[in-house]
Amino acid sequence: NAGVTQTPKFRVLKTGQSMTLLCAQDMNHEYMYWYRQDPGMGLRLIHYSVGEGTTAKGEVPDGYNVSRLKKQNFLLGLESAAPSQTSVYFCASRTGMNTEAFFGQGTRLTVV
Amino acid sequence: GEDVEQSLFLSVREGDSSVINCTYTDSSSTYLYWYKQEPGAGLQLLTYIFSNMDMKQDQRLTVLLNKKDKHLSLRIADTQTGDSAIYFCAETSLGSSASKIIFGSGTRLSIRP
Repeated sequence: NAGVTQTPKFRVLKTGQSMTLLCAQDMNHEYMYWYRQDPGMGLRLIHYSVGEGTTAKGEVPDGYNVSRLKKQNFLLGLESAAPSQTSVYFCASRTGMNTEAFFGQGTRLTVV
Repeated sequence: GEDVEQSLFLSVREGDSSVINCTYTDSSSTYLYWYKQEPGAGLQLLTYIFSNMDMKQDQRLTVLLNKKDKHLSLRIADTQTGDSAIYFCAETSLGSSASKIIFGSGTRLSIRP
């Protein structure tokens, strides 16, 4: 039972570097989400997707890009990392509206 | 836009009941959720309530919904040390943002012996 798998689990980047976070789900879910979690601010939605080939902006999309080329994968890219992007990133997926969302274990990203 | 608010901290004595409160702004909310996050882990769904319900009970958990005041609460009876975690309130709603799940800031529950 893999569920939602995030890769990598930890990463340290230098300011200006780029990287891609991978989220993979094996539950055939249509909807996928990327959130960031910061102390005292809960989970803030970065981008989301309601199906293969679709993406949409959430609350805090600036500095991030996403792609959903395959239904099971949702990629989050940072083109030029900034210290303000130091955070824990969570991916989630669900079948559709008003259904349970399943979360990955998170990626702890530090930008120095 | 939608907003979900929670207090950041709650401390209770082991064996007492814990009540975690949440308020939301979107009157078209359809489902309201409670998620639990243990240290170093992702979020897990604890329970949910549909907007046409007032109450839902599931073993030690009781969810109360006051639609008029847009207030949601989670009561944990006989709180145990294993209940120490961050609890998130979340909602989904009708309309253009129906695909989103909006989370509150989370309430960190700590248990005193």
